[in-house]
Amino acid sequence: KAGVTQTPRYLIKTRGQQVTLSCSPISGHRSVSWYQQTPGQGLQFLFEYFSETQRNKGNFPGRFSGRQFSNSRSEMNVSTLELGDSALYLCASSLRLADNNEQFFGPGTRLTVL
Amino acid sequence: KNQVEQSPQSLIILEGKNCTLQCNYTVSPFSNLRWYKQDTGRGPVSLTIMTFSENTKSNGRYTATLDADTKQSSLHITASQLSDSASYICVVTRHLGGSQGNLIFGKGTKLSVKP
Repeated sequence: KAGVTQTPRYLIKTRGQQVTLSCSPISGHRSVSWYQQTPGQGLQFLFEYFSETQRNKGNFPGRFSGRQFSNSRSEMNVSTLELGDSALYLCASSLRLADNNEQFFGPGTRLTVL
Repeated sequence: KNQVEQSPQSLIILEGKNCTLQCNYTVSPFSNLRWYKQDTGRGPVSLTIMTFSENTKSNGRYTATLDADTKQSSLHITASQLSDSASYICVVTRHLGGSQGNLIFGKGTKLSVKP
């Protein structure tokens, strides 16, 4: 069974631009969560999608948004990029929404904002 | 405040030695506690998940313990190998029903295993 895939793996953007990251969950998984990871803050929750609906959102500004498609694939978008948005963006999938389900992480997208 | 604190922040050990990583949490209500291993530049990989009623769980050379009374967990690595060099992240889930958004992450312990 293929794991969680994320594209692209690396991105370089400049301040003010926008970016879209993509995540394909494990086949059959319906929940996709997004995280931002930086050396200083560790992993921070962005949002979670289940059955095309955003179920929970972390404490990030409105510049960060996402969506989920009917095939469970998910995208996240960051508009008006800032230097502080440079980070590893991870997506994780799980079978269902319940908090006892194991999450499987993708390899991440490394975003650098210049 | 719901928090997960890990110690030490970093650790260097010699290959073949054992080590123990600590995780203290103040998350409530508690649902489960997870340990992840994250190699540099890659996504985290789950090692163990423990619920309230479990106090020990093993995965090969990795053994996690949980004391729900003192709200402490440890991850013990036996006979370390060079491939154990990674960050180890402790994650506690709040039991509020159904949303992965209630995972509280520790900042991790960076383990370096030297030959």
